[in-house]
Amino acid sequence: GAVVSQHPSWVICKSGTSVKIECRSLDFQATTMFWYRQFPKQSLMLMATSNEGSKATYEQGVEKDKFLINHASLTLSTLTVTSAHPEDSSFYICSAPVGAGNNQPQHFGDGTRLSIL
Amino acid sequence: GESVGLHLPTLSVQEGDNSIINCAYSNSASDYFIWYKQESGKGPQFIIDIRSNMDKRQGQRVTVLLNKTVKHLSLQIAATQPGDSAVYFCVPMDTGRRALTFGSGTRLQVQP
Repeated sequence: GAVVSQHPSWVICKSGTSVKIECRSLDFQATTMFWYRQFPKQSLMLMATSNEGSKATYEQGVEKDKFLINHASLTLSTLTVTSAHPEDSSFYICSAPVGAGNNQPQHFGDGTRLSIL
Repeated sequence: GESVGLHLPTLSVQEGDNSIINCAYSNSASDYFIWYKQESGKGPQFIIDIRSNMDKRQGQRVTVLLNKTVKHLSLQIAATQPGDSAVYFCVPMDTGRRALTFGSGTRLQVQP
């Protein structure tokens, strides 16, 4: 079945560091990928839609200059958390729909646990 | 507006029993529904989906029922196992929208 891979699975770094998270579709192409954030005991919140070859679309309240998204190929989207601070500590998860049309299931990566000291 | 699945927060069942997780949604225009399972520390895992032109769909040990009249879905898990312990989300999708909007989900606890 369709597999979405995220890397790294967890990262700990100092405040002020920039962190890059990769999301890959392993056996299918994805012109669109989605990035979510999940705080402990809470649900997933959509941060942005990553579009291959064009700018990402950000949800209201998500700073585009803080969370840089690049979708340079049909199988890779990256999320860079710039100048990360402790409040950015969270579980970041990406997903990709299988198939080009609407109403398709999405498959999720296993998430990246980000801890900022 | 966007449709979100609304769940009871927790469900506790005995191992071997059948589980029924219920979900209500708000937007009558929702035409596609996905159930996900999220285990601790992992991303959501696709379980089963159903389109609005169906009222029942079966998978391996799971059955989803859709009642569009009352905007309600249920996920039935047969012979619940400890490995079924997780948070379950029903995610309604509206026509033309590709992003998923998650509600709070139901935490299924399987007692030995």
